[in-house]
Order: sequence, then structure tokens, then C-alpha cells
Amino acid sequence: AQRVTQPEKLLSVFKGAPVELKCNYSYSGSPELFWYVQYSRQRLQLLLRHISRESIKGFTADLNKGETSFHLKKPFAQEEDSAMYYCALSVWGRDDKIIFGKGTRLHILP
Amino acid sequence: EPEVTQTPSHQVTQMGQEVILRCVPISNHLYFYWYRQILGQKVEFLVSFYNNEISEKSEIFDDQFSVERPDGSNFTLKIRSTKLEDSAMYFCASSEQQSLHFGNGTRLTVT
Repeated sequence: AQRVTQPEKLLSVFKGAPVELKCNYSYSGSPELFWYVQYSRQRLQLLLRHISRESIKGFTADLNKGETSFHLKKPFAQEEDSAMYYCALSVWGRDDKIIFGKGTRLHILP
Repeated sequence: EPEVTQTPSHQVTQMGQEVILRCVPISNHLYFYWYRQILGQKVEFLVSFYNNEISEKSEIFDDQFSVERPDGSNFTLKIRSTKLEDSAMYFCASSEQQSLHFGNGTRLTVT
């Protein structure tokens, strides 16, 4: 069965400090991993996905199949990064079931 | 930019009543989804819909739930006999190449 684990419910980081939001997954096949973000009073939206290998708003995430992880990183946190972040997983090439972790609230301290 | 829209934004109903939550997905998307989020808990997959039929559903999506695409634009979630534990935010989404586009959600309160 597919599972996504985000061990931190809340992460507080000072502005300018590095950020790492942890995500581990459990799936025996080929997964596709995503990070979604929900800013205050806004809808849940896609931040990035592992196959595109992009950097969005300074965030990157590398899929580590050995450690079954897809941690989200940013070298220098900004106040506008404060939001709820969800790691998500789907089966490669299949659109029909995408499951989410419990989410981590990132709070950037001034 | 096109968006997924959901109505109503908040629905209050009595236990045992039927509710219909409505969604208008993005027009050229092919997959549609319903997710729910009970307060303080994670976003849970309920069901996906493709080509006018259910593609995948979770164990939460039991016989009290149904989905329908009654016309070319709407996508509805019906809960037949609501229970207190159905109180949650219900999110509709549509996708293009596995990128989910979410609506703002409907907050369902069952009293």
C-alpha cells in the first residue's frame, strides 16, 4: 500500500536560515512524488514534482529511492514561505490516485 | 487562469440528511477527484473519476457516497445520510498530467 509520512507537524525557522521539510514514502513500485503548498486563505496548489526537477520559489526536492525520501529544501527562508506543505505520491503514469501526507506547517520567524 | 470552483463554500446539515457538494472542474481536464480533510487531520483521497465512471476509490468512499457528472461541466459528490463524522472540508480537484488543481473547498458541518 502507498503511504506518505511527514514526521513534523510544525517547523519554525528563522528568516534567512535553511529549510528542510521531511517526507518519506512507502511504495514498492515506481512512485511519482509531489509537494503541494497551501498559503493562508488560498487553495492547495502544486509547488513542484520530482520529474520536472525544477526549482520553484527557491525550493528543490530530490527523490532518494534508497532512503525512500523526497525532502523539500530551501537554502534561505523568506517570510512569505510560511504555509502548510503537503508531500504527495502517486503511482507512476497513473492519474487516478494521489495520496497526501499529513502536512507540515512551516512558520518563518522574523 | 482557469480555476476549479466549488459551491457552496459552507454547508450545514442535520444528521441523516442528504447533501450534494458541487464542483466545476477545469474544462479540458480529464480526471476529477474528491478529497476530504477532517479538522486537524490530513487530506484524504475519496474518489477519482475518469471517462464518466469511477476510476479509483478509497475505503472511506462507501455506499453512502456517490459521484456524478450530470452534465458537461458539473461534478458532484452526494452523501446520502450524513453522520457527525462526515463533518470536514471537502475538496474537489481536476488534473492535467497528474498535477492536481484544487477548488477552495466546501466546509460541511453535520449537526
